[in-house]
Amino acid sequence: AQSVTQPDIHITVSEGASLELRCNYSYGATPYLFWYVQSPGQGLQLLLKYFSGDTLVQGIKGFEAEFKRSQSSFNLRKPSVHWSDAAEYFCASSSGTYKYIFGTGTRLKVLA
Amino acid sequence: DSGVTQTPKHLITATGQRVTLRCSPRSGDLSVYWYQQSLDQGLQFLIQYYNGEERAKGNILERFSAQQFPDLHSELNLSSLELGDSALYFCASSVEAGGAQYFGPGTRLTVL
Repeated sequence: AQSVTQPDIHITVSEGASLELRCNYSYGATPYLFWYVQSPGQGLQLLLKYFSGDTLVQGIKGFEAEFKRSQSSFNLRKPSVHWSDAAEYFCASSSGTYKYIFGTGTRLKVLA
Repeated sequence: DSGVTQTPKHLITATGQRVTLRCSPRSGDLSVYWYQQSLDQGLQFLIQYYNGEERAKGNILERFSAQQFPDLHSELNLSSLELGDSALYFCASSVEAGGAQYFGPGTRLTVL
């Protein structure tokens, strides 16, 4: 069955430090993969998406993610975190037809 | 601004009542999704429509129903409301089923 796992519920980093948020998926074929960000009281915003092709995907706000088929992972990275990046981050996968699965989210805290 | 609109922004009602939440997708998007987000349950997929037809069902209660109209806007009807239905309800839209989703700002429902 299709599933998305975000193993880290909370992550705290210092401003200016690098960031990596983990996401593992389970699906028979290569799924469509997404990262979303949600600031408090707001809707989710699409950061980036992977459908096929280059496994390193660039997104908005300086984020990137790398698809690794061998590890069934799609981790989100940012080289230098800003205080405004504090939010909740959701990984999601789609079978390309209609089944869309979200992970449980990782809440990022940024220390000044 | 994602281009997805939701009304109302806030709704306060009593147990046992019925409410209707409305969503207008981005121009050109055929797919509409509904989600419920609460502190204890996280982000829960409720239902998806594509060009007026129901495509997928998630954890949607029998007291809840939805539809997508010919102009592609969608409504989520919640009846016999319970205290536990208090949550943020998000609508999202995408061009194709399974593609990147664009979220509305949400409707915060409070059941007293």
